[in-house]
Amino acid sequence: GDSVTQMEGPVTLSEEAFLTINCTYTATGYPSLFWYVQYPGEGLQLLLKATKADDKGSNKGFEATYRKETTSFHLEKGSVQVSDSAVYFCALSTDSWGKLQFGAGTQVVVTP
Amino acid sequence: GAVVSQHPSRVICKSGTSVKIECRSLDFQATTMFWYRQFPKQSLMLMATSNEGSKATYEQGVEKDKFLINHASLTLSTLTVTSAHPEDSSFYICSARGTDNLSGANVLTFGAGSRLTVL
Repeated sequence: GDSVTQMEGPVTLSEEAFLTINCTYTATGYPSLFWYVQYPGEGLQLLLKATKADDKGSNKGFEATYRKETTSFHLEKGSVQVSDSAVYFCALSTDSWGKLQFGAGTQVVVTP
Repeated sequence: GAVVSQHPSRVICKSGTSVKIECRSLDFQATTMFWYRQFPKQSLMLMATSNEGSKATYEQGVEKDKFLINHASLTLSTLTVTSAHPEDSSFYICSARGTDNLSGANVLTFGAGSRLTVL
């Protein structure tokens, strides 16, 4: 079946450091790929998405490129801020109804 | 904007009791609701999908008599964990798909989740 694997956390880094969170997937067909972020006490929020190979999703300084050849969708940000501290979830969807397959989530802690 | 209000955010109950978790859609009509659970350090696992006015469709391995889902209106869905046991302790989160009341755009929005602890 479909699955998403993302790197374990917590990831702790200093402000202005470079962030990468690895995400790989297995799926039948051609999934859409997503990154969601969950700030403390809040619901999951869509951070960015890509719907086909080589698409790059970007938002709030975060980027991820849909790599079909490596079945990956790694999240990157060039200079993190303390406010980026959150849990990040990689997810895929193979239907249009909103049914998502999630990774385990990666907690990111950014220190001043 | 489209928001899902989920409560309670935390609940502690005794073994054998039932617990109800509510998700309400604000400013949009939630035609479809998804319920997930998450064990520590594991993925969010889809438990069931419900369409307004219909019976929920449960994922394989999820006991429908234990996890009762009601989606009687376009703004409210509930998950009831019946006769809860310690192994039901988990993080439960809903997401709602629907149409924004103002813009008419399709939305998919998550609740903040509910942490259930069964003693």
